[in-house]
Amino acid sequence: SQQGEEDPQALSIQEGENATMNCSYKTSINNLQWYRQNSGRGLVHLILIRSNEREKHSGRLRVTLDTSKKSSSLLITASRAADTASYFCATLLNTGTASKLTFGTGTRLQVTL
Amino acid sequence: KAGVTQTPRYLIKTRGQQVTLSCSPISGHRSVSWYQQTPGQGLQFLFEYFSETQRNKGNFPGRFSGRQFSNSRSEMNVSTLELGDSALYLCASSLVGSPGNTIYFGEGSWLTVV
Repeated sequence: SQQGEEDPQALSIQEGENATMNCSYKTSINNLQWYRQNSGRGLVHLILIRSNEREKHSGRLRVTLDTSKKSSSLLITASRAADTASYFCATLLNTGTASKLTFGTGTRLQVTL
Repeated sequence: KAGVTQTPRYLIKTRGQQVTLSCSPISGHRSVSWYQQTPGQGLQFLFEYFSETQRNKGNFPGRFSGRQFSNSRSEMNVSTLELGDSALYLCASSLVGSPGNTIYFGEGSWLTVV
């Protein structure tokens, strides 16, 4: 079963604009990871944020984590056509199961020229 | 260094047959896990192996099985294939399998059951 929902399910923006995706989850976590998936391809790891961190940056990516609200957001700044993909958040649950990620439903991002 | 490698990338099988998918983790990674991705159910955890032992299993029938070899390479097998097994099967590896580690995925194996 899915850990939670991602919002919005689909997002269409123009190149240069910022894209924000939100992820909610249901249980306590060790960390939360964001992935990108191009159509028909595997998952590319974008960023990992630990449960004791509130914000993390990597290039044009900014991730926030609010454990009290059980939510995270991914911001992509100055988007490019190459950012068109599906984005998934995945949580690592706090049960000692080291590699069992539970995924959200994903956000499909379309960046147009 | 090379990423997670999965073979084959694409395959077509008939209902009732069995299939074996292979995964080579990133060098040095001892934890290997498998996921199934379908349009209806999304990404779901199948199982995880660490040092040749299955450490965790998702909610899938016994037709789905796996194993890990001493060199950390892993295989998963699906027996008595059903149409609903058509999916993208993703393998992932992580360094030591601890909660703080990044989990990396391969390109996946596309299985179509006809």
